[in-house]
Parts: sequence; structure tokens; C-alpha cells
Amino acid sequence: DVKVTQSSRYLVKRTGEKVFLECVQDMDHENMFWYRQDPGLGLRLIYFSYDVKMKEKGDIPEGYSVSREKKERFSLILESASTNQTSMYLCASSLNLQGPSFYEQYFGPGTRLTVT
Amino acid sequence: SQELEQSPQSLIVQEGKNLTINCTSSKTLYGLYWYKQKYGEGLIFLMMLQKGGEEKSHEKITAKLDEKKQQSSLHITASQPSHAGIYLCGADKGNYGQNFVFGPGTRLSVLP
Repeated sequence: DVKVTQSSRYLVKRTGEKVFLECVQDMDHENMFWYRQDPGLGLRLIYFSYDVKMKEKGDIPEGYSVSREKKERFSLILESASTNQTSMYLCASSLNLQGPSFYEQYFGPGTRLTVT
Repeated sequence: SQELEQSPQSLIVQEGKNLTINCTSSKTLYGLYWYKQKYGEGLIFLMMLQKGGEEKSHEKITAKLDEKKQQSSLHITASQPSHAGIYLCGADKGNYGQNFVFGPGTRLSVLP
């Protein structure tokens, strides 16, 4: 079974802090994704990566950056956390670079981040 | 506005009843994906539909994609409490990468 793990289930940070959210997958998947999920807005893509050191912006990249130094690990960075970044953050991975399987995504359990 | 609409928004059924959830797009889709999310957790991939008229089943869940590839339905037969959760459809709009969108979700409760 594909396993996607996220470093924390719950996180509380202060405004202005730098926040790192870590995601690790153990199935040698090429693609990795970061989403945020908010009531009424649904799931929105922040960034995705299709290879080590490669990244692409999603729908809402502002205020975030990402890092993928190893194939299995994809980090989401909030350079200076703000209260409007309080959300549920979901990481996902998928196998293929192209074709329909690109979106057959396997998700981690999520990190609920609160910025006070 | 949402690019994918789902109906109903929420659904409460008695255990053993059948139910259907719909996902609609105003544009032709290149792929339609169904996911399930248990409350407060990540999503679980259920199935993917690509071709117009395609139908797939997994245990008691059947999903169909219409011929025009603009609407999909998810049907659960003889629902069980384990089916409870949020069902989301996702769609590939045809361009690589960020052109994947999720619907708002349908919250399903199954009463024992």
C-alpha cells in the first residue's frame, strides 16, 4: 500500500513564524502535491512537483514556497505565517508523470495548522 | 464560482438504503476522479473514469461518466455506516498540472 505521511497532525504557530510542513511518501512516486482545504472553498492546489528540485505553482501559491531535495520528500514552507493561512494542509503523491494516473493521488492524513 | 458542482451537499440515509451523488461540469472533462474523505483526514482514491459512458464498480460503489463527459454519478448500494464521509469528485481539465479541480464535496451520513 502507498503510504504518505505528514510530519504533524496538529500545529499551532504564531504570526510571523517560519513554518515547515513535511511530507514523505514511500512508493517511489514521481509527483507530489500540496493542497489546502477550507470550509466553503474546498481543496485548492498550492504547489506540485513532478521531479526532484522541480516545482510548479498551483492555484494559490502566494505566501508559500516548496522544496523537493529528495524524491520521497516534499516540504511546504510558510516564510512568515499569517492568520489567513490557518487551514488543513494535505499532501498527496501520484505515480506517473503524464496520463490519467497523474491524478490518481494518494493523500496523507493532513496537518491542521492554526496561526494565532 | 465552483467549476465542479456536486449534489446534494449533504445526505443522511438509513443503513441499507441506496443513494446517488452527482458531479457536474459545464465543460467536457478529460478525466473524472472520485475520492472519499473521512472526517478530518486525508482523501482516499476510489476510482477514475475517462471515457464517455464508462462505468466502474468497487465493492458496493458504482460510478458512471456520461457520454458527453460532463456529468458523473456515484451510486452506493445497500449503504453501511462505513460509507459515511465526504465524497469529492475531481476533474482533469485537460492541461498538464494545475488544471485539476475538486468539487465542493457531498457529506454522507449513514444511520444504523
